Amino acid sequence: AQSVTQLDSQVPVFEEAPVELRCNYSSSVSVYLFWYVQYPNQGLQLLLKYLSGSTLVKGINGFEAEFNKSQTSFHLRKPSVHISDTAEYFCAVSRYGGATNKLIFGTGTLLAVQP
Amino acid sequence: DGGITQSPKYLFRKEGQNVTLSCEQNLNHDAMYWYRQDPGQGLRLIYYSQIVNDFQKGDIAEGYSVSREKKESFPLTVTSAQKNPTAFYLCASSTTGGTGNTIYFGEGSWLTVV
Repeated sequence: AQSVTQLDSQVPVFEEAPVELRCNYSSSVSVYLFWYVQYPNQGLQLLLKYLSGSTLVKGINGFEAEFNKSQTSFHLRKPSVHISDTAEYFCAVSRYGGATNKLIFGTGTLLAVQP
Repeated sequence: DGGITQSPKYLFRKEGQNVTLSCEQNLNHDAMYWYRQDPGQGLRLIYYSQIVNDFQKGDIAEGYSVSREKKESFPLTVTSAQKNPTAFYLCASSTTGGTGNTIYFGEGSWLTVV
């Protein structure tokens, strides 16, 4: 079975500062990894995903994430955040080669950008 | 525009009543999903369907039921057997047959039991 851990429930940061949101996963098989963003009272939107190939993945809104197999991590980064980045961010994993696209989600990290 | 439409956005239910949440998609996706979101717990899978007239239980299916009579529709019924139904419910869809397919989400429905 797979599981996802997002250790930080909240990350406060000042505008224009860099940020890293941490995600670690556990799996006995190869996985696909995803980051989603959720703005208040809305659904989730895909930021980026890792399927294979280059371990550095670039997504929308200037976010990127790096897959580290040895550390079983997929941390999300942005070099300079904006007020509009304030939202909840979810890391998720699905089983490689699985017949369905069932996602296992972490508990989320609230990114609070302050002016 | 293509997307996933959930209705109603807000719903209040009295204890002991069943309620049905609607989900319609015009993305021509074969697979559809229902997730439940509670504060601090992330999203948990209730039911999913990969094809019309077929669906599977997810991790927390007890107290819920679904149907998939049409490709574009996947309604969720929250029954009186669900002990703690107050939550944010998210419908989603995706293509099938590939690997690591992106799952797209609707805007969600808030259900409050009063």
